[in-house]
Amino acid sequence: GNSVTQMEGPVTLSEEAFLTINCTYTATGYPSLFWYVQYPGEGLQLLLKATKADDKGSNKGFEATYRKETTSFHLEKGSVQVSDSAVYFCALSDLSGTYKYIFGTGTRLKVLA
Amino acid sequence: KAGVTQTPRYLIKTRGQQVTLSCSPISGHRSVSWYQQTPGQGLQFLFEYFSETQRNKGNFPGRFSGRQFSNSRSEMNVSTLELGDSALYLCASSITGTANNEQFFGPGTRLTVL
Repeated sequence: GNSVTQMEGPVTLSEEAFLTINCTYTATGYPSLFWYVQYPGEGLQLLLKATKADDKGSNKGFEATYRKETTSFHLEKGSVQVSDSAVYFCALSDLSGTYKYIFGTGTRLKVLA
Repeated sequence: KAGVTQTPRYLIKTRGQQVTLSCSPISGHRSVSWYQQTPGQGLQFLFEYFSETQRNKGNFPGRFSGRQFSNSRSEMNVSTLELGDSALYLCASSITGTANNEQFFGPGTRLTVL
């Protein structure tokens, strides 16, 4: 079945460091891919998305490219801030007609000043 | 435009009791999905409703049920609560629930079972 695998956290970085959070997926067909972010005490917010191979999603300095050949959708940011501290979830939309999203287990990011 | 709202935000129950959680989607959104979030399991899909019909259900026991009303508001019910049901329950709405539709999440209801 479809699945999403994320790198385990927590990830601890200093402010202005480069961020990469790895995400790989297993799916039939061409699902849409998403990154969601969850700040403490809040629900999930969509950070970015890509709907087809080679698409690059970007938002708030974060980027991720839909790589079909490596079935990956890694999240990157060139210079993180303390305010980026949150849990990041990679997700895909199930195309089997089941109308559900499949999420990774989440990666906690902590940015130190 | 108001976001997804969930009530109550916090609940404390004891084993064996039942609980009902409520979700009001964004106006115009007809699809509502429910997820259970726990530290060990991450986000697990519970079920999805569209136009008052359950279109899909995750791998949860029959104690977990839901429904959707004609105004798209949704409720989920958990009967005979167990300690393992303690979790953050998230509701998400989207326009149609199809693959490219963004899901908008509510803040969640944190359920604690004692």
